[in-house]
Amino acid sequence: EVQLVESGGGLVQPGGSLRLSCAASGFTFSSYAMTWVRQAPGKGLEWVSIISDSGGGTYYADSVKGRFTISRDNSKNTLYLQMNSLRAEDTAVYYCAKGQCTSCPFDYWGLGALVTVSS
Amino acid sequence: QSALTQPASVSGSPGQSITISCTGTGSDVGSYNLVSWYQHHPGKAPKLMIYEVSERPSGVSNRFSGSKSGNTASLTISGLQAEDEADYYCCSYAGISTSVFGTGTKVTVL
Repeated sequence: EVQLVESGGGLVQPGGSLRLSCAASGFTFSSYAMTWVRQAPGKGLEWVSIISDSGGGTYYADSVKGRFTISRDNSKNTLYLQMNSLRAEDTAVYYCAKGQCTSCPFDYWGLGALVTVSS
Repeated sequence: QSALTQPASVSGSPGQSITISCTGTGSDVGSYNLVSWYQHHPGKAPKLMIYEVSERPSGVSNRFSGSKSGNTASLTISGLQAEDEADYYCCSYAGISTSVFGTGTKVTVL
């Protein structure tokens, strides 16, 4: 059974940093692209970033480019999102999801981790 | 990377059919047959319902169907059931390995 479990969320002050993790199981992690999608309170889903199966390709939404870094450790079956220079508008539930490739649909999702940016 | 446009809400009675539209541009929906649809019950993980405009993943009811014309994609739910009440989001590939979601539609079963 495919499982994706996000962790590392919490309360952080504006300008601060946080690293999210997504532990994957039930599939060959190193064969799939992985993505982060977020949902601000009362808002819709927003695509944030994606990383290729090998980690050699990383792509970002304009809203987080230069502040967020996606990475993965295929030996640990874990996806990461390093978030720096956080802003109030980054407050959201962050979901990780898997896809066959970087242009493919996201076929399994986690339950999400809440990140709150507030002083 | 502007969000695709969806109606905020759509409602229907049990057994009826409803259609949710998703309007993008020639840079996303209009350029690729890579539109997917997700069902999201609050507090749960989003679920893939349709991919590549009209393909259904294994296990998804055939009451769900998708189509596309120009810059607008559509999701139709036929034989509406109480369990279909949820938020629905379209998503399109937008080139250079980026994607863009729709604004979301709340489906209410009357």
